[in-house]
Amino acid sequence: ETGVTQTPRHLVMGMTNKKSLKCEQHLGHNAMYWYKQSAKKPLELMFVYSLEERVENNSVPSRFSPECPNSSHLFLHLHTLQPEDSALYLCASMNVGLGNTEAFFGQGTRLTVV
Amino acid sequence: QKEVEQNSGPLSVPEGAIASLNCTYSDRGSQSFFWYRQYSGKSPELIMSIYSNGDKEDGRFTAQLNKASQYVSLLIRDSQPSDSATYLCAVNWGNNDMRFGAGTRLTVKP
Repeated sequence: ETGVTQTPRHLVMGMTNKKSLKCEQHLGHNAMYWYKQSAKKPLELMFVYSLEERVENNSVPSRFSPECPNSSHLFLHLHTLQPEDSALYLCASMNVGLGNTEAFFGQGTRLTVV
Repeated sequence: QKEVEQNSGPLSVPEGAIASLNCTYSDRGSQSFFWYRQYSGKSPELIMSIYSNGDKEDGRFTAQLNKASQYVSLLIRDSQPSDSATYLCAVNWGNNDMRFGAGTRLTVKP
């Protein structure tokens, strides 16, 4: 069982659809992250949850809505997306405030908005 | 503003050569530094972490950190075609703030 698991791996959705991305970590970490990776651009930090509280929201449009029901699960709810939102969405987890802080990534969800 | 800069490449080296990847960052408040490797269509995987000035070696990989110059590098010795990937530099400023460079694409030619 991998440390950080994301589902689905691929998603095609229309601009009027509502979908959710799921992330689950089995590493006992206390922080979880959503990153967006577009072609030839740096990973963009979207949201951070630490101890189940949202601590970072980098001016992400409201059509992206995160949810963290517990320290092992993280969701990204999507609605009325735009074609420019097509990207690889990566979930990561780490232990914050406990010495060395290394982030481990899930396999990502390749999202295409049509 | 906290930024991580990398030369996007592509960097091409022959098999068996040393590949040198460089990264600079903008803010001295940074605490920890990482190199990730990302194969095409895959997610980033951690290959090295470094927390204090100097060199850190792990097999064919050596990370070098110079906080005074705000510079971190990765050397890959005896490069193999399987090392061909994009290498991401990451800086953790603490307080949950971890940012990545755009990555350097490395090609190792047989």
